[in-house]
Formats: sequence, C-alpha cells, structure tokens
Amino acid sequence: SQTIHQWPATLVQPVGSPLSLECTVEGTSNPNLYWYRQAAGRGLQLLFYSVGIGQISSEVPQNLSASRPQDRQFILSSKKLLLSDSGFYLCAYRQGFMNTEAFFGQGTRLTVV
Amino acid sequence: SQELEQSPQSLIVQEGKNLTINCTSSKTLYGLYWYKQKYGEGLIFLMMLQKGGEEKSHEKITAKLDEKKQQSSLHITASQPSHAGIYLCGALAGGTSYGKLTFGQGTILTVHP
Repeated sequence: SQTIHQWPATLVQPVGSPLSLECTVEGTSNPNLYWYRQAAGRGLQLLFYSVGIGQISSEVPQNLSASRPQDRQFILSSKKLLLSDSGFYLCAYRQGFMNTEAFFGQGTRLTVV
Repeated sequence: SQELEQSPQSLIVQEGKNLTINCTSSKTLYGLYWYKQKYGEGLIFLMMLQKGGEEKSHEKITAKLDEKKQQSSLHITASQPSHAGIYLCGALAGGTSYGKLTFGQGTILTVHP
C-alpha cells in the first residue's frame, strides 16, 4: 500500500537557524510531490511542486527552497529562518498527472522564535 | 492562475441539520477534490470529481460538480459533531501546469450537539 511520511511533527527553531523538513513516499513510483503551508488553520498555500527528480516548480518567492534528490523524497529547506516562516507545513503526493487522488502527510508545526 | 473561492468561510449548525459548502473556480476544473481536516492534522481525502454533472456520495456527504465544471458543492445530511472540522476544495490546473494542485481558503464547520 502507498504511504507518506513527514517529519518532524513539531519543530521550534530560532530566527536565523536553518531548516530541513523531509517527506518520503512508499509504495509508488514517480509521484507528483507537493509542499504546502497553512496559516491559522485555513487554506493551503502551494509552495513547491515536483513532477520528477530534480524538477522543482516554485509558486511563491520566499525564504524557502525545495529539493527532490530521490524519486520518493521531497525536502523543504531554508538557510535562515524568519519569524514569518512559522506555520503548518504539509507534504502531499499524487500518482500520475491527471485525475488521481492526492494524499497528505500529517504535517509539521514549525514555530520560529 | 486558477483561483478557488469557498463559501461560506465558516458555518455553525445544530446537530441534525443539513448544510452545503460551495467551491467556485475562476477557470475550468480538470479535477476537483474535497478534503476534511481536523485542526493541526493532515488532510483526509473525501472525494474526487472529474466530469461535469458528476455526483458522488460517501456516508452522509455528497459532492457535485456542475455541468460547466467551474463550481462544486459539498452537502452534509443530518450533520453530527464528528463532521466538524475544516473542509477544503482543491483543483488541478490544466495545460502546461498539469501537475499543479491548488486549494481554496477552507470552510470551518462547527456542529453543536
């Protein structure tokens, strides 16, 4: 069966520190991968998506970057965190290009202090 | 880019009442997803609609995609406290952005026992 793992569940980091959030998918190959940020328990802001290894589309210019070093691994990074980077980060995957369900990880609550 | 507008933004109902949440797109929908989220958790997949006029049901939740494929509604019959949470609609972009999956701002549902 297909599963998605996202960690850590919670993270408290000081301003100016680096960030690395990891997301891995099992049970499928060549998935579309996504990073979202959710503020105040509302809608999801698409940050990055990837349709293949090394292919990253950035949706919002910001202090974050994403990488896909392996087919089923998606990493969200920052060199220096800002207070405004605080939020709930969600990873998701879809199999194929059209008309397939998207499944989400359990999310990471990031607090920048 | 495709915009999704959900209404209402929040909804408070008494247990046993019916309710409807709407999702309107600025462009033709190629795939429309409905998710439910408990605060601080990942998204739970409810349903996916693809064809104009399509309707799907799961337990007491029914979702429809209109014929023109620019609006979807989610209807809950005889609501229960377990239905409380945030409901989000998501859509796939078409054309060269086929992998892009964006979401509305969410509807917060509260069900009073």
